[in-house]
Amino acid sequence: EAAVTQSPRNKVTVTGGNVTLSCRQTNSHNYMYWYRQDTGHGLRLIHYSYGAGNLQIGDVPDGYKATRTTQEDFFLLLELASPSQTSLYFCASSEAKNTLYFGAGTRLSVL
Amino acid sequence: GDSVTQTEGQVALSEEDFLTIHCNYSASGYPALFWYVQYPGEGPQFLFRASRDKEKGSSRGFEATYDKGTTSFHLRKASVQESDSAVYYCALGNTNKVVFGTGTRLQVLP
Repeated sequence: EAAVTQSPRNKVTVTGGNVTLSCRQTNSHNYMYWYRQDTGHGLRLIHYSYGAGNLQIGDVPDGYKATRTTQEDFFLLLELASPSQTSLYFCASSEAKNTLYFGAGTRLSVL
Repeated sequence: GDSVTQTEGQVALSEEDFLTIHCNYSASGYPALFWYVQYPGEGPQFLFRASRDKEKGSSRGFEATYDKGTTSFHLRKASVQESDSAVYYCALGNTNKVVFGTGTRLQVLP
């Protein structure tokens, strides 16, 4: 069954720490997205990509890097984590202008 | 830039009540419009979409009509059930960037 798998599901790090969130999709979709979800803000787009090696800037990119290594794999990197990045992160995949399929999320706590 | 506004942060209804959740958008061009639903502990899941003016999308008794004139895509359901309790997100897709509203938490009391 086609799916979007995120790992880890939970992560705790300290301020200034280095964190990588992973996302793999088996939907054969070209587009992949990283969102963060916070109370009062809903889902906010961090970065997205339309293929291996491509990266597009979202609406809240500060403090985040991303890399799309293959069609299946999209990584979100926090190189100097801050408490303001404590959030629930979702990865999603889609075809152009079509339905997004979301993973189950990664809950990140930055102490 | 593109944006989606959901005016209701929370809605509390009784079973069999009529539901309306308001969604207005601002975008260049002609975006696709979506509704997503999120249950506790899960990622958002697609409910339905509409791609052109006056098109109605629907699923599971929920429906919304794309209105370019009022830039709206309001979610409605004639008779809600307790199992409809969830967070509902309106979203727009434009040039492959998908932007979400802030979400509306629906609580349906038995």
